[in-house]
Amino acid sequence: AQSVTQPDIHITVSEGASLELRCNYSYGATPYLFWYVQSPGQGLQLLLKYFSGDTLVQGIKGFEAEFKRSQSSFNLRKPSVHWSDAAEYFCAVGPYSGGGADGLTFGKGTHLIIQP
Amino acid sequence: NAGVTQTPKFRILKIGQSMTLQCTQDMNHNYMYWYRQDPGMGLKLIYYSVGAGITDKGEVPNGYNVSRSTTEDFPLRLELAAPSQTSVYFCASSYGGSLNEQFFGPGTRLTVL
Repeated sequence: AQSVTQPDIHITVSEGASLELRCNYSYGATPYLFWYVQSPGQGLQLLLKYFSGDTLVQGIKGFEAEFKRSQSSFNLRKPSVHWSDAAEYFCAVGPYSGGGADGLTFGKGTHLIIQP
Repeated sequence: NAGVTQTPKFRILKIGQSMTLQCTQDMNHNYMYWYRQDPGMGLKLIYYSVGAGITDKGEVPNGYNVSRSTTEDFPLRLELAAPSQTSVYFCASSYGGSLNEQFFGPGTRLTVL
């Protein structure tokens, strides 16, 4: 069965510092990978996605992620964080393998705290 | 353009009661989804729909029912509410499936006591 692991439950970063959020996946075929962000009290918003091609993908709000097949990883990065980046970040993989169902498998999320 | 709207925002139910969570989207998306998010956990898919009149189970469908009579609306019905259904429920929509961007509503926080 496919799965997504986000090893860090909480991460604290100073404003202006760089950020890397880790994501590891388990998937039996070529994965489609996503990062979603959830601001407090809001629904999720897509930051970026990877399907194929260049393994470094750019997203909204200055985020990027790198797909490393050999490490089964899809880490999210940002060179300089802003206070408004404080949120919950979810990595996801799809589609569901087997059974024909549509949908993504989400990780448990990483809560990002920004220190002034 | 309101996107995905959900009502109510909050609800407290007693064990055994029933209720319907409403979801409406105005983007003419064919796919719609219901997820639940438990504390400290990722989202889990309850049901989804690929178009009016077509629904299918996700990962955690037990205790829920859905219908899709129009493109815009995708209500989620809870029958005989149980404490295990205490969660935040998100509705989402997309054009062409979950491999395309899903647009999420603000969520409904449900507590079953």
